[in-house]
Amino acid sequence: GENVEQHPSTLSVQEGDSAVIKCTYSDSASNYFPWYKQELGKRPQLIIDIRSNVGEKKDQRIAVTLNKTAKHFSLHITETQPEDSAVYFCAAISRSNDYKLSFGAGTTVTVRA
Amino acid sequence: GAVVSQHPSRVICKSGTSVKIECRSLDFQATTMFWYRQFPKQSLMLMATSNEGSKATYEQGVEKDKFLINHASLTLSTLTVTSAHPEDSSFYICSASPLGTSQETQYFGPGTRLLVL
Repeated sequence: GENVEQHPSTLSVQEGDSAVIKCTYSDSASNYFPWYKQELGKRPQLIIDIRSNVGEKKDQRIAVTLNKTAKHFSLHITETQPEDSAVYFCAAISRSNDYKLSFGAGTTVTVRA
Repeated sequence: GAVVSQHPSRVICKSGTSVKIECRSLDFQATTMFWYRQFPKQSLMLMATSNEGSKATYEQGVEKDKFLINHASLTLSTLTVTSAHPEDSSFYICSASPLGTSQETQYFGPGTRLLVL
C-alpha cells in the first residue's frame, strides 16, 4: 500500500514568515494529493489539493508543489498569521490502494506573534 | 456546501459497554463512507470503508466483530464499538463521498470523542 512520510513533525515560525512542509509518497500510481488543516478537537479541513498532472497550485497565501519523479510534494504558507497555527496533514490517493486516503503523520505549526 | 454530522460529539462510557456513533450526510447522498480513528497527537488511521447496502471493508488489524459498521441508507452509517475498553478511547471521525463523485472527494464529520472508563 501507499506510505506517506511528512516532515517536520513540528514547525515554529515568526508571524509573517513562510512555513514549508514536505511529504514523500511511495506509490507511483498515486494521483491526488490533498492537504488538510486540523485545529484541536476539530475535523480536518481541506485547504488545497493537487493532481498528478499539475506541478504547482496556488490559492492566496497557500501553494502546493508536486514532483512526480521524486515522489514528493510540499505545502508552502506565506505571510503566516497566528490563525495558521494548527496541525497540517498531507495525504495521497492511489488506485492501487482502492482510492483510500493515506495520511502523513502531521506537522504541528505554531505561528509566534 | 456538503455537510457531514456525527452524533454524539462526545461520549463517556464504562468498560464493557457498547457505544454507537452515527455519521450522517445532511445535504447529499453518499454511497461510500469512511471511518477513521485518531489517537492524541497522531494521524488519522482508516478503520473501514462502508458502502451502502453491503458489508464494510476493514483495514488490516481492525477487528470487524468489535467495530460493527452498518450503512443502511445513502445518508447514514453507524459505527458500534462493542465491549469497549479504555484502549478504545479515541477520536472517531467519519467522512463521506457524495454519490457520483470519486472517493477523492471526502467531507469529514466533526468527530466523536470516546472516553472509556
